[in-house]
Amino acid sequence: GAVVSQHPSWVICKSGTSVKIECRSLDFQATTMFWYRQFPKQSLMLMATSNEGSKATYEQGVEKDKFLINHASLTLSTLTVTSAHPEDSSFYICSARHRNQPQHFGDGTRLSIL
Amino acid sequence: AQKITQTQPGMFVQEKEAVTLDCTYDTSDPSYGLFWYKQPSSGEMIFLIYQGSYDQQNATEGRYSLNFQKARKSANLVISASQLGDSAMYFCAMREGLANYGQNFVFGPGTRLSVLP
Repeated sequence: GAVVSQHPSWVICKSGTSVKIECRSLDFQATTMFWYRQFPKQSLMLMATSNEGSKATYEQGVEKDKFLINHASLTLSTLTVTSAHPEDSSFYICSARHRNQPQHFGDGTRLSIL
Repeated sequence: AQKITQTQPGMFVQEKEAVTLDCTYDTSDPSYGLFWYKQPSSGEMIFLIYQGSYDQQNATEGRYSLNFQKARKSANLVISASQLGDSAMYFCAMREGLANYGQNFVFGPGTRLSVLP
């Protein structure tokens, strides 16, 4: 079946640093990728949608300068949390789909900012 | 407006018994898909079952079945013969407009299922 690889699975870093999370579709071309954020014991909240070769569309309330999304190829999207602070600590999950096919989720990244 | 409602924040079930997790949805689009995902404590999202709005029969996948009542806009997940490994968060999700590949999921708030030995 379709596989989405997300890396790293867990990252701890100091406040003020930038963190990059990668999302790769391993065996299909991801025309659309989605980035979600999940706080403990809460549902997934969509942050942004990115189509290959286009700028990401951010949901209301999500700072585009804070959460930089790049979808440069049909198999890779990256989320960079710039100047991360403790309130950015969360669980981030990406998903990818090819055209009208179902979404496939990555395993998520636990981000802890000290 | 809440598009996906899961009214049970937490549920308990005895091992080997069946359990129903509720999900109601709201959409004016005649074309949509309904999904159930399981999220264990490790965090990954595991796809369980899918029901399309035009599907005539209720979806089934092993021990999972979806009780789809279109007129009531409900898509309850039934897990038969519960196992300890079923303890997890369960999310109901909907995607509107089957023909629009840019559409994303809308997730419900989730139900935490605990299976008791």
